[in-house]
Amino acid sequence: AQKITQTQPGMFVQEKEAVTLDCTYDTSDPSYGLFWYKQPSSGEMIFLIYQGSYDQQNATEGRYSLNFQKARKSANLVISASQLGDSAMYFCAMRGANFGNEKLTFGTGTRLTIIP
Amino acid sequence: DVKVTQSSRYLVKRTGEKVFLECVQDMDHENMFWYRQDPGLGLRLIYFSYDVKMKEKGDIPEGYSVSREKKERFSLILESASTNQTSMYLCASSPDSHQPQHFGDGTRLSIL
Repeated sequence: AQKITQTQPGMFVQEKEAVTLDCTYDTSDPSYGLFWYKQPSSGEMIFLIYQGSYDQQNATEGRYSLNFQKARKSANLVISASQLGDSAMYFCAMRGANFGNEKLTFGTGTRLTIIP
Repeated sequence: DVKVTQSSRYLVKRTGEKVFLECVQDMDHENMFWYRQDPGLGLRLIYFSYDVKMKEKGDIPEGYSVSREKKERFSLILESASTNQTSMYLCASSPDSHQPQHFGDGTRLSIL
């Protein structure tokens, strides 16, 4: 079974500072994918970034980067130069790569609040 | 851009009613998913489908059923709604298992 753990229910960060949101995972699959989604107060889930378990480099997308440490089973999201619009819920999720295991398993989320 | 459309943003129904939540995607995606989201629990998978007329149970299928008669449409059915099914329901689709899932805006369902 797959499990995602997000230990930070809420975080408050000053605008323009960098933010690290923690995510640890557990799986017995040799191949898997890790995702981060953002959910603003309006409710829609927005895909941010993806990391494959065999990717050699950490994923980056604009201000988002994923600090992937496979041996520690962690996949932390780093947001550089935070903005007020970054205030939202953030979810880490994992998907297995084998047929029948494509479903996403989500963590409980971290509520990020950016302070002006 | 991928568009996943859920039929209602807000819905209020009564205990015992049969409730239909509709989801349509416009990108010819193979896979479609239904989740519910509750505070402190994250998103939990109810049902998913890999193809037309195919369905698989997720983690919490009890009290729900689904229908996928056409590739673009995936319906979630509450056979006899109960108050513990009050929740936010999110539909998602993806082209295959290696691609991110794209979500609709969600339906906030209240069962009175």
